Amino acid sequence: AQRVTQPEKLLSVFKGAPVELKCNYSYSGSPELFWYVQYSRQRLQLLLRHISRESIKGFTADLNKGETSFHLKKPFAQEEDSAMYYCALSPPGETGANNLFFGTGTRLTVIP
Amino acid sequence: DTAVSQTPKYLVTQMGNDKSIKCEQNLGHDTMYWYKQDSKKFLKIMFSYNNKELIINETVPNRFSPKSPDKAHLNLHINSLELGDSAVYFCASSQRLGRTDTQYFGPGTRLTVL
Repeated sequence: AQRVTQPEKLLSVFKGAPVELKCNYSYSGSPELFWYVQYSRQRLQLLLRHISRESIKGFTADLNKGETSFHLKKPFAQEEDSAMYYCALSPPGETGANNLFFGTGTRLTVIP
Repeated sequence: DTAVSQTPKYLVTQMGNDKSIKCEQNLGHDTMYWYKQDSKKFLKIMFSYNNKELIINETVPNRFSPKSPDKAHLNLHINSLELGDSAVYFCASSQRLGRTDTQYFGPGTRLTVL
């Protein structure tokens, strides 16, 4: 069974400090991995996906298959980054393979 | 606005009642989903539908019955509501059933069972 673990429920950093939100997964295959974000009073939305290898709002995430991790990083946190962040996994090769399995989320607070 | 919409936004009801939550997307997507977010903010897939056809049911009790009258709608009907059904329910849609397709979420429906 697939599982996504976000070990930190809450994370606080000062503005301008680097931030890393941890995500580990357990899956015997090559899943697709995503980060979704939910800002205050807004709906859940995609932040980035590993296949795109993109940087969105200064965030990047590298898939480390050896460590089965997909940590989200930003070198300089901004106040507007305060939000709930979810790591999610989509398993390969199954019917309904676009079902997302979410971690429990990390609430990031950027302190001014 | 092009988006995924859900009604109602809040739903408070007594145990044992039957209730429905509606979801509509005007994005022209083929695939729709229901997720449940519990009090600890854990978000879990319940159902996915592709072109009105049920694709997956993630061990959800039979009291939950999704209905998709057309590709743009996926409604969730819940019979004999229980206290444990209290949660926020999110509808989502994606262009296709592909693994890398972005899912677009609705604003959520907060269900409280008394």
